[in-house]
Amino acid sequence: AQSVTQLDSQVPVFEEAPVELRCNYSSSVSVYLFWYVQYPNQGLQLLLKYLSGSTLVKGINGFEAEFNKSQTSFHLRKPSVHISDTAEYFCAVSKNQGAQKLVFGQGTRLTINP
Amino acid sequence: DSGVTQTPKHLITATGQRVTLRCSPRSGDLSVYWYQQSLDQGLQFLIQYYNGEERAKGNILERFSAQQFPDLHSELNLSSLELGDSALYFCASSAVRGGTGNTIYFGEGSWLTVV
Repeated sequence: AQSVTQLDSQVPVFEEAPVELRCNYSSSVSVYLFWYVQYPNQGLQLLLKYLSGSTLVKGINGFEAEFNKSQTSFHLRKPSVHISDTAEYFCAVSKNQGAQKLVFGQGTRLTINP
Repeated sequence: DSGVTQTPKHLITATGQRVTLRCSPRSGDLSVYWYQQSLDQGLQFLIQYYNGEERAKGNILERFSAQQFPDLHSELNLSSLELGDSALYFCASSAVRGGTGNTIYFGEGSWLTVV
């Protein structure tokens, strides 16, 4: 079975500072990896996904993530954050065979301070 | 707007009652998923339907059931409700059955409060 660990439950940063949200996964099979964002009182929106190929994945809103198979990590980064990036971020994994249920981490609340 | 529509957006009901949450997937999507988001359990997969048939089951309680209708909309039925069932229930949809890393699109959720 797969599992996802988001190492930080909360991350406060100042506006225009860089940020990294950490995600580690465990799985006995190959997986697909995802980052979703949940803005206050909204649903989940896909930021980016890793399926195969280049380990550096670029997503929407200036976010990117790097897949590291040896460290089983998929950390999310943004070089300069904005107030509008305040949200909850979820890392998720799914197997690359069969049903595509997503296994989510516990989420990281990103708070941007002016 | 993801294109996934959920109703109702908010629902307050008493313990022991039964409720039905409704989901309309994105146009053309054949797969529907239900997830539960609660403070103590986080985001958990409940169940998936593909073109009317159950495809995968997760941590769904026996008091809960779901179905997908011929027009592809889905309903999640929650019965004998308990306080602990209070949560945000998400519906999501994707174009295909799975296995390809296909993007899953989420609705805005239905907030259920059991009092």
